[in-house]
Order: sequence, then structure tokens, then C-alpha cells
Amino acid sequence: GNSVTQMEGPVTLSEEAFLTINCTYTATGYPSLFWYVQYPGEGLQLLLKATKADDKGSNKGFEATYRKETTSFHLEKGSVQVSDSAVYFCALGGGTASKLTFGTGTRLQVTL
Amino acid sequence: NAGVTQTPKFRVLKTGQSMTLLCAQDMNHEYMYWYRQDPGMGLRLIHYSVGEGTTAKGEVPDGYNVSRLKKQNFLLGLESAAPSQTSVYFCASSYPARDREAYEQYFGPGTRLTVT
Repeated sequence: GNSVTQMEGPVTLSEEAFLTINCTYTATGYPSLFWYVQYPGEGLQLLLKATKADDKGSNKGFEATYRKETTSFHLEKGSVQVSDSAVYFCALGGGTASKLTFGTGTRLQVTL
Repeated sequence: NAGVTQTPKFRVLKTGQSMTLLCAQDMNHEYMYWYRQDPGMGLRLIHYSVGEGTTAKGEVPDGYNVSRLKKQNFLLGLESAAPSQTSVYFCASSYPARDREAYEQYFGPGTRLTVT
């Protein structure tokens, strides 16, 4: 079956540091890949997505590239801000009813 | 355009009590989902629906029932609450996938449920 593994947190960075959150997946077929973000006390919102191999999703300075050969979709940002503090979820979707399979989430804390 | 809304936002139940969580979406989405979020476990799918009048089990359906009588609403019921159902519940909705591309899911703000 489908599964998503992402690095455990929490990740603590200083403002303007470089961010990488690793995500690897196992899936049959050709899933779409997503990064969702959850700010404190809120629901999940889509951060970026990629639908086929070598696609790069980007939004708000975050990027992730769909790497079929390494089954990975790592999230990166060149310079994080305090406002980026949140929990980040990697997910894959597809198949019956477009169900999503989520990773366990990575908490990011950015300090001044 | 309110997106996905959930009621109530918070609830405390005693073991054995029942309750219904309501999810409503105004985006005319075909698909709707109920998840629970627990620390260290990400989001797990409880039940989902691919259209009005249809429902299906997800990964962790035991102890829950659902109904989709109207396209815009998806109800999650707990008939006899247990402490293991203490969690944050999220509803989501989506368009059907087209070709091989899965569409994003839109999430509600969540319901925090505590069962004592």
C-alpha cells in the first residue's frame, strides 16, 4: 500500500536559515505529491504540489521537486521567517476517491 | 465563499455519550472526507464519500458512522464515545481526480473532542 515517511521534528532554526524537510514515499502507480502546512490552531492548507516526475512545486518561497528515481519530495526554503513556524505534512494522493496518505508531520520552529 | 466549515469547534463528552460532528462545504465538491489527527500519527482517514448518498470506510472507521444526505454536508457520528476517540477531527473536500492527477483537498478548521 501507499506510505509516506518524513523526518521527525521538531526542527528549530534561526531566522534566515536554510530549511530542508525530507519526505520519501512508497506508492503504486503515479501519485500526485503534496506539502500541506498547519499553523497553530488551524486546519491544513495546501502549500504546494507536483503531479508528475520532475515537476517542481513552489509557493511562498518553498519548493519541492518530484523525484521518481529516489521516490522523494523534499521541502526546501532558502531563508525561513518566524512566520513559517508551523507543522508541515507531506502527502501523496491518487487512486480511488483521490484519498491522501499523510506523513506524520514535522514541526518547524523559527526563532529570531 | 466560506469553504469548509465544521461545527462544533470544541466538545467534551463523557464515556458512552453520543454526538454528531457536522461538516459543510460550499464549493460543490463531489468528494468529502473525515480525518482524525493524533500526536505523532499524522492524519488518518476515518470515512469518506464520493457523492451524495454514498460513503466508504477509511483506515480507522471503527466506532464512527457517517452520512451524506446532501452533497454539501458530511456528518460524522460517535454512537458511544470512548476515551480513545479523544482527538482533533478534520473534514475535507475535493473534486474527483481527473486522469492521473489528484486534486488538492480543502480542509476545515477542525473540531477538538475530549472524551473523559
